[in-house]
Amino acid sequence: DTGVSQDPRHKITKRGQNVTFRCDPISEHNRLYWYRQTLGQGPEFLTYFQNEAQLEKSRLLSDRFSAERPKGSFSTLEIQRTEQGDSAMYLCASSRGVNEKLFFGSGTQLSVL
Amino acid sequence: RKEVEQDPGPFNVPEGATVAFNCTYSNSASQSFFWYRQDCRKEPKLLMSVYSSGNEDGRFTAQLNRASQYISLLIRDSKLSDSATYLCVVTIGNYQLIWGAGTKLIIKP
Repeated sequence: DTGVSQDPRHKITKRGQNVTFRCDPISEHNRLYWYRQTLGQGPEFLTYFQNEAQLEKSRLLSDRFSAERPKGSFSTLEIQRTEQGDSAMYLCASSRGVNEKLFFGSGTQLSVL
Repeated sequence: RKEVEQDPGPFNVPEGATVAFNCTYSNSASQSFFWYRQDCRKEPKLLMSVYSSGNEDGRFTAQLNRASQYISLLIRDSKLSDSATYLCVVTIGNYQLIWGAGTKLIIKP
């Protein structure tokens, strides 16, 4: 399977704990996006990378969120000191470039208790 | 006003019927347009791109009206498996993709 893969599929954590998610994009895609989605809403932009460079980060994102793509391939999204409001589906997507179609991974469903 | 707006539905439609829904966008600089389909608790999957000239893929037809700033999706001969949420997305500039909240479609036997 050469699609976008995300790990883990589900994560349950206690408030205050740190969590890290991983995304492996389609190999020839140089753009990688992280989104967050809650029920009844469209995906909400968090950040995106062009190769290893993080080019934009949503102003809605607090300092507790950080993302990396160290070698321009896989990416990680870390949430520190999780809060109940962080509970959501975290989606990763990749594309070939500007205005190209996005392909999504299956997402990581985070539940903060 | 939201940048991309969709009627949340749900649209309850009998199997075999034709259904259409629109998505309006506010930024006239929007460049590319797509329809995605999302099943409950799954990731969005690309349904089709939307071109200025309109495009068709089997039972699905997408159209773009730049003057009125909306895109549309038409589904003919609807199937039970078409039940899903349909999300529209527009791209602006170098990286921004603005998503609608989706229209829920329920096809009834």
